Amino acid sequence: RKEVEQDPGPFNVPEGATVAFNCTYSNSASQSFFWYRQDCRKEPKLLMSVYSSGNEDGRFTAQLNRASQYISLLIRDSKLSDSATYLCVVNQGNFGNEKLTFGTGTRLTIIP
Amino acid sequence: GAGVSQSPRYKVAKRGQDVALRCDPISGHVSLFWYQQALGQGPEFLTYFQNEAQLDKSGLPSDRFFAERPEGSVSTLKIQRTQQEDSAVYLCASSSPGLAGSKQYFGPGTRLTVT
Repeated sequence: RKEVEQDPGPFNVPEGATVAFNCTYSNSASQSFFWYRQDCRKEPKLLMSVYSSGNEDGRFTAQLNRASQYISLLIRDSKLSDSATYLCVVNQGNFGNEKLTFGTGTRLTIIP
Repeated sequence: GAGVSQSPRYKVAKRGQDVALRCDPISGHVSLFWYQQALGQGPEFLTYFQNEAQLDKSGLPSDRFFAERPEGSVSTLKIQRTQQEDSAVYLCASSSPGLAGSKQYFGPGTRLTVT
């Protein structure tokens, strides 16, 4: 079983729609959680960190459920520029053990 | 300010050749990471340095892979006797000193193709 599991998609969504991605992680020692965005042939870039209380950044909302070991990302009013692969990422967050564990990514295409 | 840079951006190697991939982290970043990303997959951890110390090399797939960071800044990932399964994008990332869970900044990667 992979440490971080995501539905690889692809998700093809009309512009303006709301889309949600989910992710589960297996290591209960994980402390830090992130969503990264990766455009085709580009490096991953941090989209947002994820907190238990939930956090919002404009049209993006992230949520963490530690009991279920589940992370979500919601994109509202999707734009063409949101087309990318979204990577769910965890780390144990301990000093000296900062490696990131990535899911396979969920590919999103916004259709005009 | 300069981000993480990697060179070469593209490398084609014949099977059996040795390759060396370079990473220049953001100035002042103590932590440096190498990841391997195969086509259609997320990046997978290879190895990690704090300054010149290699703290974790558990992700290196075989003893053909070797990484170093002798002066605590630039790092080199070396792959000996390349095989076709080594074809991937090799990503380097660096992060601010000592902050657990701190943001990692990625370089553009080196795309290695082994023929």
